[in-house]
Amino acid sequence: LAKTTQPISMDSYEGQEVNITCSHNNIATNDYITWYQQFPSQGPRFIIQGYKTKVTNEVASLFIPADRKSSTLSLPRVSLSDTAVYYCLVGVYYNQGGKLIFGQGTELSVKP
Amino acid sequence: DAGVTQSPTHLIKTRGQQVTLRCSPKSGHDTVSWYQQALGQGPQFIFQYYEEEERQRGNFPDRFSGHQFPNYSSELNVNALLLGDSALYLCASSPTGGLAGGHGTDTQYFGPGTRLTVL
Repeated sequence: LAKTTQPISMDSYEGQEVNITCSHNNIATNDYITWYQQFPSQGPRFIIQGYKTKVTNEVASLFIPADRKSSTLSLPRVSLSDTAVYYCLVGVYYNQGGKLIFGQGTELSVKP
Repeated sequence: DAGVTQSPTHLIKTRGQQVTLRCSPKSGHDTVSWYQQALGQGPQFIFQYYEEEERQRGNFPDRFSGHQFPNYSSELNVNALLLGDSALYLCASSPTGGLAGGHGTDTQYFGPGTRLTVL
């Protein structure tokens, strides 16, 4: 299973764009990249998922270079409510038998 | 449409006791997974239930057991509690059995968790 490496913490200010990069050097051909967001004392929440190039939804964008050895979660114009822990996950759900493998995540702190 | 619900919200037990946590999956979901999240760590997979059977298990001792009912709800039981069992216990549900093939990953929907404190 591909291991992920992401910064432990990041600071930002309201209105800025935040980019969180995740490294996954041994990603497998069938692996997808998924990001989850977790607020204190809540369960993680799915943000975005992609396989290659760029994926965008109403919450975030996910950039994946051609070699797929890394990915970048981009949060446009963050607000205080975006303060949370962000997890990068790599794997193909059904091939793993259903388990999600979380790392330590990136703790994002948005300041006024 | 109610999402994943868990009960109780908080629980305090003493070492050696037993505890049962409950989870109701999101409507239309038939697969339930349980995770343990220690303070400052990411969630760790305990096991998953599908069709009332444990389908896969993480690296947790036999003190951790579970059950899934015909209505897809699930219980997590922990016996002989240790101080180290203090954590947030998360339940997640998903809409398929996870082995249906296709591509990509099935999104798992998490509940708010049960905060277990062992004294």
